[in-house]
Amino acid sequence: KAGVTQTPRYLIKTRGQQVTLSCSPISGHRSVSWYQQTPGQGLQFLFEYFSETQRNKGNFPGRFSGRQFSNSRSEMNVSTLELGDSALYLCASSGDRTYGYTFGSGTRLTVV
Amino acid sequence: AQSVTQLGSHVSVSEGALVLLRCNYSSSVPPYLFWYVQYPNQGLQLLLKYTSAATLVKGINGFEAEFKKSETSFHLTKPSAHMSDAAEYFCAVSRGGYQKVTFGTGTKLQVIP
Repeated sequence: KAGVTQTPRYLIKTRGQQVTLSCSPISGHRSVSWYQQTPGQGLQFLFEYFSETQRNKGNFPGRFSGRQFSNSRSEMNVSTLELGDSALYLCASSGDRTYGYTFGSGTRLTVV
Repeated sequence: AQSVTQLGSHVSVSEGALVLLRCNYSSSVPPYLFWYVQYPNQGLQLLLKYTSAATLVKGINGFEAEFKKSETSFHLTKPSAHMSDAAEYFCAVSRGGYQKVTFGTGTKLQVIP
């Protein structure tokens, strides 16, 4: 079966712009989580959605937001981009978290 | 709150040598524990998971991990390292249910020919 699909794979944006990243989970998975990965901070949890509801939220500013659609696809949005937002953004889906996540390949965002 | 500590941000082993990556967890309830591997510019791939069924867990690519409650550890091992094992490895913990998964800071494994 198809894995977790993240689009786009690479993105270059200018400071002050906004960006939307997309994630399509494994068919049947209702939970989608987002992580930011940087060399300095490692993997940091952004938020998790389950059946269109945000279930958990990490410690990120309000510029970071997300949503989940009825088909479980999820988007995350970052407004007013800063240089420090440059990172690999990873999406993970889960049918049952006791069995772990399945990650997408990520979106590499570069802010210039 | 649950957390994991990975000892050693970088580990180097010779090809054919034992791989041992250390992970200690902190959890107020019986945890679910995971090891993931990440290759450059890729997402994380699940290597193995502990969900209380058996303390010795076998995963993909010849890796295994043993849950030791008395030591609050879940170390990852592989008897013989291959060049293809060079990657970053993450230990993670969850309380299950609706609780989020918390990742360690990662250990980069270098395999020397």
